[in-house]
Amino acid sequence: KQEVTQIPAALSVPEGENLVLNCSFTDSAIYNLQWFRQDPGKGLTSLLLIQSSQREQTSGRLNASLDKSSGRSTLYIAASQPGDSATYLCAVDPRGSTLGRLYFGRGTQLTVWP
Amino acid sequence: EAGVTQFPSHSVIEKGQTVTLRCDPISGHDNLYWYRRVMGKEIKFLLHFVKESKQDESGMPNNRFLAERTGGTYSTLKVQPAELEDSGVYFCASSHERGTLREQYFGPGTRLTVT
Repeated sequence: KQEVTQIPAALSVPEGENLVLNCSFTDSAIYNLQWFRQDPGKGLTSLLLIQSSQREQTSGRLNASLDKSSGRSTLYIAASQPGDSATYLCAVDPRGSTLGRLYFGRGTQLTVWP
Repeated sequence: EAGVTQFPSHSVIEKGQTVTLRCDPISGHDNLYWYRRVMGKEIKFLLHFVKESKQDESGMPNNRFLAERTGGTYSTLKVQPAELEDSGVYFCASSHERGTLREQYFGPGTRLTVT
């Protein structure tokens, strides 16, 4: 059974810092990995999706990397801003599973203060 | 293009009552998923529809939960009778049947509180 762990559980930093959020998963046979953002009381917004054949994806100040063999992904946030404050979730779509069932980590709660 | 919508956004009911949650997926998305997050835990899969058929309902907690997707469009999730441990946020997601990315798009969730 796939298990997803996110470290740290919470992070509080001043504006402008570069951040790294970590995600690890127990079964390397994955189809893809998604990073989501969740604002309080809101739904999940997809940030980046990395297919199993890819090593990284970039969108603006966000960069996500994937190392399937070690079961790890990192989300790098450059020059953090207060608007980045949210909970960041990592989710894995296992290869061979019923189409698209995602396994989630518990998330990293990020606070960026001015 | 409208995203995934869910109704209601919040629901507070008493133990033993019935609640029905509704999800409208993105138009044209054949895959529809229900997930749930209870306090302090990770988001967990409940079930998956492909059009109107249940593809996988292995995540459903027990037979008090009933999901339907008549006509392959919107879906409902009924909890009857509700118990205290059913409290949490229920998310719906959809994805395109033929999408190679299998990217899922999530709705805002329904926060259910059972008192």
